[in-house]
Amino acid sequence: TQLTQSPSSLSASVGDRVTITCRASQGIGTYLAWYQQKPGEAPKLVIYAASTLQSGVPSRFSGSGSGTDFALTISSLQPEDVATYYCHQFRTYPLTFGGGTKVEIK
Amino acid sequence: QVQLVQSGAEVKKPGASVRVSCKASGYTFTRYALHWVRQAPGQRLQWMGWINPANGKTKYSENFQDRVTFTRDTSANIVYMELISLRSEDTAVFYCARDGEAGWFDPWGQGTLVTVSS
Repeated sequence: TQLTQSPSSLSASVGDRVTITCRASQGIGTYLAWYQQKPGEAPKLVIYAASTLQSGVPSRFSGSGSGTDFALTISSLQPEDVATYYCHQFRTYPLTFGGGTKVEIK
Repeated sequence: QVQLVQSGAEVKKPGASVRVSCKASGYTFTRYALHWVRQAPGQRLQWMGWINPANGKTKYSENFQDRVTFTRDTSANIVYMELISLRSEDTAVFYCARDGEAGWFDPWGQGTLVTVSS
């Protein structure tokens, strides 16, 4: 199952609402997770099962969608949110990841 | 806390093999599968497969199944990833990651950089 993320990069101001989308090439139910990867660090789980916030992750992050269309939203962008975000499907083998969305501060 | 600690960076020549270790702590080692993921420069994350530490069962991605082997040492809570016939495109950071309750990955190891160069 291929995952297509958009945009590949974005630049927004502190406090802006930011939305990243992930489209699956076939239906995957809610078998989708989102990870945040800061430069030089390992990925970190942000959202699992499409919309469940991982413990310890700020509530400004939210996930939505099912089937083939998903979104990760940051309600109020903060400087510490600068990172690359990846979606990941675990419904079918081979497990796959999106191409990533690099989020920067304007 | 749950932690995965990987072995250090490696430099290998083309055709050689590499073994990367991933030591788990903070949970029952045999309860969760461990996955391996490759991140090559400028490329998306690529899943390589998983190992079930309880019984040693493995599942490999077709992209790697001819060249990769996962093993585990339950006495030391370590899983290993061995990749043979290294080529330049294997220059990458390799991560281990624990399987979540239903398939997501959490947490991840810190990553191991493998550089393949003549």
